[in-house]
Amino acid sequence: DQQVKQNSPSLSVQEGRISILNCDYTNSMFDYFLWYKKYPAEGPTFLISISSIKDKNEDGRFTVFLNKSAKHLSLHIVPSQPGDSAVYFCAASFTSGTYKYIFGTGTRLKVLA
Amino acid sequence: EAQVTQNPRYLITVTGKKLTVTCSQNMNHEYMSWYRQDPGLGLRQIYYSMNVEVTDKGDVPEGYKVSRKEKRNFPLILESPSPNQTSLYFCASSLFRGATGELFFGEGSRLTVL
Repeated sequence: DQQVKQNSPSLSVQEGRISILNCDYTNSMFDYFLWYKKYPAEGPTFLISISSIKDKNEDGRFTVFLNKSAKHLSLHIVPSQPGDSAVYFCAASFTSGTYKYIFGTGTRLKVLA
Repeated sequence: EAQVTQNPRYLITVTGKKLTVTCSQNMNHEYMSWYRQDPGLGLRQIYYSMNVEVTDKGDVPEGYKVSRKEKRNFPLILESPSPNQTSLYFCASSLFRGATGELFFGEGSRLTVL
């Protein structure tokens, strides 16, 4: 059972516009969420995270929104740049008990110049 | 330079031939973990370790072993590899902050089991 789901395998956006990547989760016990970016032939790199006690976290062009009632989070990239073209993974974790990270299946973002 | 180093980066082997993928980090991180990436399945955690001599199963531990004898090293052992273990493997580490720490990933090891 996929506890963290990214239902859009791919997304194309024009340069300069907003990219919105979505992630849904099923386990209400998750208390931390993270986004990673992955280029081909490289390991994933950390982008931004959010605690479950917050509903928004911003870092430069990247903002993560968390809607706990809907068990949904989204990553907004504004403005999108061609260098943002990559696969994006959302992940969720527990901060007590079991210290696993559960990743989604990824969304491939293509930013068109 | 802070990094997570995996070896080998590429390996083709045959069913049943034991192999070890090494992972080493130079950041003095407590937390280390292994993942496999498969098409349509994303990244799935195999094992993790919160410190020396402390390991625990992730979501897909079957067919794998790990050990954490030193803080910097976390090898992944496939005692009897099978074709369904053909995958791209990533090692990662972080400062242990109750699984809120930013994971630093290695570059990956692509394993093919014939």
